[in-house]
Amino acid sequence: DTAVSQTPKYLVTQMGNDKSIKCEQNLGHDTMYWYKQDSKKFLKIMFSYNNKELIINETVPNRFSPKSPDKAHLNLHINSLELGDSAVYFCASSHPKEGFNSPLHFGNGTRLTVT
Amino acid sequence: DAKTTQPTSMDCAEGRAANLPCNHSTISGNEYVYWYRQIHSQGPQYIIHGLKNNETNEMASLIITEDRKSSTLILPHATLRDTAVYYCIVIPLRTSGSRLTFGEGTQLTVNP
Repeated sequence: DTAVSQTPKYLVTQMGNDKSIKCEQNLGHDTMYWYKQDSKKFLKIMFSYNNKELIINETVPNRFSPKSPDKAHLNLHINSLELGDSAVYFCASSHPKEGFNSPLHFGNGTRLTVT
Repeated sequence: DAKTTQPTSMDCAEGRAANLPCNHSTISGNEYVYWYRQIHSQGPQYIIHGLKNNETNEMASLIITEDRKSSTLILPHATLRDTAVYYCIVIPLRTSGSRLTFGEGTQLTVNP
């Protein structure tokens, strides 16, 4: 009964490759996110989708392309991987309510290592 | 969004209360205080949030000073499983999606 699930948990690949990370939530939430946690442990938002529409794009390189086939899924595709893309990527979801920032529910992350 | 300041690390004995402070002296009137934690190798987990009143739930209590410039997260009976990095975040009431910005947080180590 995992709420927010990401696959794969670990991803090791070479520079220049294209890879995807999948995320699914079964909480019925309207909004989903991708966050990146770098080696210094800082967690920063990358994208946010609300009902399949992009609402936040935090100056992420064009090589990163989120795709939301439905409101329960938000996948992250990365083209031409670079060494600096190595990080832990977290998917999250929330159900925004009127006048309230609903808490985010995070997945357990995908550790991407680019060699 | 208001900036927050937290101690880098804290220790606590198992079974005792853990009090984690956070300074947010530039907080504005429409900003909430949120607390999350991240246990090693897991995603962040929501703990509690508040505006100006003290709050309590099954996980913790949140004490916000009257001037709202600081707050304290209290874990009343810390266990070894509470060892984690605790993040204090200040965010406006309404944002277009929750643009949470996580700082360095406080590494809490609960010792047996």
